[in-house]
Amino acid sequence: KAGVTQTPRYLIKTRGQQVTLSCSPISGHRSVSWYQQTPGQGLQFLFEYFSETQRNKGNFPGRFSGRQFSNSRSEMNVSTLELGDSALYLCASSLASPKDTQYFGPGTRLTVL
Amino acid sequence: GESVGLHLPTLSVQEGDNSIINCAYSNSASDYFIWYKQESGKGPQFIIDIRSNMDKRQGQRVTVLLNKTVKHLSLQIAATQPGDSAVYFCAERKASNYQLIWGAGTKLIIKP
Repeated sequence: KAGVTQTPRYLIKTRGQQVTLSCSPISGHRSVSWYQQTPGQGLQFLFEYFSETQRNKGNFPGRFSGRQFSNSRSEMNVSTLELGDSALYLCASSLASPKDTQYFGPGTRLTVL
Repeated sequence: GESVGLHLPTLSVQEGDNSIINCAYSNSASDYFIWYKQESGKGPQFIIDIRSNMDKRQGQRVTVLLNKTVKHLSLQIAATQPGDSAVYFCAERKASNYQLIWGAGTKLIIKP
């Protein structure tokens, strides 16, 4: 069974631009969570989607948004990029509930110049 | 605020020795603790978990200990191998909404 895949793996943007990251969960998994990982803040929870609905949300500004499609694939979008948005964005999938073990993808490395 | 932290940012051990990675947490309203391993260029990989009603759980070469009295979690790795080199994260799950609160990570270096 294939693991969680994320595209693209690397991305370079400039301040003010927007970006869309994609995540394909493990087949059969319906819950997708997104995290931001930076050296200074560690892993910070962004949001979690289940059945195309946002079920949980972390403490990030409204510039960070996401969605989930009927096939459980998920995208996250960051608008009006800031230098501080440079980070590794990780997607994790689980069977149905955030109680289930989360399996992570390799991440998308975003650099904002 | 809530936090899960690690005592040592870097731990260096000799190949074949046992290693212990420690984690302190501050939120007592949690039901579940997890250890993840993150190798360079990869996402975190689940290692082992423990529920708050347990004190100890063993896996293959790994043991997790939970001391709720002092809010301390540890991961013991037996007979460390070069492949154990990674950053290890502890995470605590909030019982209210199942969100994971992550520690800062400890880098484990295995010396040959």
